Amino acid sequence: NAGVTQTPKFQVLKTGQSMTLQCAQDMNHEYMSWYRQDPGMGLRLIHYSVGAGITDQGEVPNGYNVSRSTTEDFPLRLLSAAPSQTSVYFCASAPRWTGGVGYTFGSGTRLTVV
Amino acid sequence: AQTVTQSQPEMSVQEAETVTLSCTYDTSESDYYLFWYKQPPSRQMILVIRQEAYKQQNATENRFSVNFQKAAKSFSLKISDSQLGDAAMYFCAYRSGGYGGSQGNLIFGKGTKLSVKP
Repeated sequence: NAGVTQTPKFQVLKTGQSMTLQCAQDMNHEYMSWYRQDPGMGLRLIHYSVGAGITDQGEVPNGYNVSRSTTEDFPLRLLSAAPSQTSVYFCASAPRWTGGVGYTFGSGTRLTVV
Repeated sequence: AQTVTQSQPEMSVQEAETVTLSCTYDTSESDYYLFWYKQPPSRQMILVIRQEAYKQQNATENRFSVNFQKAAKSFSLKISDSQLGDAAMYFCAYRSGGYGGSQGNLIFGKGTKLSVKP
């Protein structure tokens, strides 16, 4: 099925560990983004990409790295996990030239850092 | 910078009745898009309805409709004949009509949790 595939769905990390959240889309969308969702805070943008080889920081980028080597994939890396990174993470994608289409979201990853 | 404000953290509605969720936004742009997303307990983000700023006519999708007041920068969501399955978190979101860089990003409000009473 066409859409955004996000893995894993759940993850528990110890403080200081690293991990990568995977995100892939098969709709040939130029835009891809990572959001984190915290209670009472809505969804906040971590990093985004407007195409392969191009990434930029969002509102809350500290502690996270991204890369975009292909149009399809946009992994999010936590280099040294901290309890403050406990959150629900969403990957999303959208076409660049048709803004009214809206973003398609992955199913989310619930990350707990202990 | 654009901002989106949802002033109602929680709302409640009786089944079969109508409820309106509020959203205001701030922008200096004339070309943009507005969206309402639904997030049920499953956590999936579901696009409910969209509105193009250049369209004066309010968008409608079955039981969901919006009241788009461009001058007042208001974008409320009306749910008619509420059903138990409408219980969810609802997010209002803004996207610029521009195509460069950060203009394509979605900016979200903090959400409104809607409960539906049987």
